Amino acid sequence: DAGVIQSPRHEVTEMGQEVTLRCKPISGHDYLFWYRQTMMRGLELLIYFNNNVPIDDSGMPEDRFSAKMPNASFSTLKIQPSEPRDSAVYFCASSLATGFQPQHFGDGTRLSIL
Amino acid sequence: ELKVEQNPLFLSMQEGKNYTIYCNYSTTSDRLYWYRQDPGKSLESLFVLLSNGAVKQEGRLMASLDTKARLSTLHITAAVHDLSATYFCAAHNAGNMLTFGGGTRLMVKP
Repeated sequence: DAGVIQSPRHEVTEMGQEVTLRCKPISGHDYLFWYRQTMMRGLELLIYFNNNVPIDDSGMPEDRFSAKMPNASFSTLKIQPSEPRDSAVYFCASSLATGFQPQHFGDGTRLSIL
Repeated sequence: ELKVEQNPLFLSMQEGKNYTIYCNYSTTSDRLYWYRQDPGKSLESLFVLLSNGAVKQEGRLMASLDTKARLSTLHITAAVHDLSATYFCAAHNAGNMLTFGGGTRLMVKP
């Protein structure tokens, strides 16, 4: 059974470039979450979706960040323009709506902005 | 706003010893999760605690929940090197959100 799949695993790009991170949740999961992990700030929730609809984006740091979920099996997190302070590991997670199931995390995208 | 604090942040211990990681949360939450993260890896779910007094055990790890004290503990019994990792607790927030603690980095020395 495939888990949450993220791509790319690593991304190195120059400041000012557009970055797109991709996530495929576990089939059948109703919720999808985007997190950012840094040494300084720990694990932060950026945005989450329920049935493809964004529910809470209060964690999105600024307008340079946007996220979409066009269908139940795909989501993107875009940063435009990117800045060095965006360097972090970005995780996508998904979960079922019922049964108090845990969130299942992908392997993450390690993003470095030069 | 729900806040989750873990202590200690870093724990170095000898193999064979016992220790406890503490997780405090600031407001009422109906469920508490524990995760493990190995360096450079993803987060792996360990335990889900759903009610006051809940206790879950897997191998050398045992987690418990006291909702009245807003406290969860992760107890390590007779630690082994393979348990070296960072452990996170997370409390359930509104909707289906989790608020994570800062993590406890555990290093078990042979």
